[in-house]
Amino acid sequence: AQSVTQLGSHVSVSEGALVLLRCNYSSSVPPYLFWYVQYPNQGLQLLLKYTSAATLVKGINGFEAEFKKSETSFHLTKPSAHMSDAAEYFCAVKGAAGNKLTFGGGTRVLVKP
Amino acid sequence: EPEVTQTPSHQVTQMGQEVILRCVPISNHLYFYWYRQILGQKVEFLVSFYNNEISEKSEIFDDQFSVERPDGSNFTLKIRSTKLEDSAMYFCASSEARTAQETQYFGPGTRLLVL
Repeated sequence: AQSVTQLGSHVSVSEGALVLLRCNYSSSVPPYLFWYVQYPNQGLQLLLKYTSAATLVKGINGFEAEFKKSETSFHLTKPSAHMSDAAEYFCAVKGAAGNKLTFGGGTRVLVKP
Repeated sequence: EPEVTQTPSHQVTQMGQEVILRCVPISNHLYFYWYRQILGQKVEFLVSFYNNEISEKSEIFDDQFSVERPDGSNFTLKIRSTKLEDSAMYFCASSEARTAQETQYFGPGTRLLVL
């Protein structure tokens, strides 16, 4: 079984500051990890995914995440926050055999001017 | 860019009534999913569907729920007799393949309120 923990349900950053969203996973099999973003009144949009090809994954909108097996983490970062980054971010995991996504609780990002 | 669409965007119903939530997956996708998110809680998997059969379902997906692909484009979730606790945002998703690294593309959701 897989599980995901996102530390911090709300994060507030200043425009131009580093965005760091934490995700830790638990999986009995090699995991596939995903970050999704949800803008207000929209669906979940894929930001990036880890599929074992490279531990540092680059996604859309300047986001990237690093898979660290020893820490069972897949934290999401962006060097410089933009007002348009205000949204809710979800980390999710899939095991190799299954096809269902298991989501973390989400982190809502507020960007201050 | 192709996208998953869902109708209606909002649905209000009385407890005990049947509701049907509709989804149009991306046209060349073969795998379909429903997830839900109760307010303040995690997004939860309900069911996956392929080749006109349920391929996996969660413990939430009991006899009150059913899914169907009535034609070549729509994918529906039916709740036979709604309960207050069915109030949630329901997301449909689709993917081209079933491999674990395959991306699932989500629709905008239907917000269901059961009174």
